[in-house]
Amino acid sequence: DTGVSQNPRHKITKRGQNVTFRCDPISEHNRLYWYRQTLGQGPEFLTYFQNEAQLEKSRLLSDRFSAERPKGSFSTLEIQRTEQGDSAMYLCASSRKSYSGANVLTFGAGSRLTVL
Amino acid sequence: QKEVEQNSGPLSVPEGAIASLNCTYSDRGSQSFFWYRQYSGKSPELIMFIYSNGDKEDGRFTAQLNKASQYVSLLIRDSQPSDSATYLCAVKDNDMRFGAGTRLTVKP
Repeated sequence: DTGVSQNPRHKITKRGQNVTFRCDPISEHNRLYWYRQTLGQGPEFLTYFQNEAQLEKSRLLSDRFSAERPKGSFSTLEIQRTEQGDSAMYLCASSRKSYSGANVLTFGAGSRLTVL
Repeated sequence: QKEVEQNSGPLSVPEGAIASLNCTYSDRGSQSFFWYRQYSGKSPELIMFIYSNGDKEDGRFTAQLNKASQYVSLLIRDSQPSDSATYLCAVKDNDMRFGAGTRLTVKP
């Protein structure tokens, strides 16, 4: 088990282009989360999946953002028509319930997006 | 809008002292509470979680929860320079919401 894997680690794009990030969770984890983090802020919730079902999506999230988890394994996060304000670290996390019932997240290393 | 509030700091303590980090949350129905540590340029990593009122200890770390006051704290005893990081409070409902984090510096 290599943990949560995210690709690419860095992406530089021009404003207006589309970008896609991929997350491979820990294999036995059925929940997968996407967060966005900017400098000096905590992770901002974007969306999460339980298996292949997208259970919640932040109301703050523009409709330019879409996420999928087609077979309940890896997930993709696509940003269409990128804007400079989309520049951030995009974090993926996966989880399973611990023996105590708590939902412990394990984060990937993140995908850093820079929009020029 | 569910909110998790933390003092952004920075909080500076001398080596060997107790560092106290605080967090309040707005959703009275929240059940599980987490503390994550994030080193500069790295991803958050779990320190501990708590879901019952009272204290929970794990080594040098103690989490304290008071649901009536909607308050959760983290105490770090015998602080070390390696504890210097940003500490994130997180509250789980259907999703997991994070505070902005408190930056802690432990000075040798």
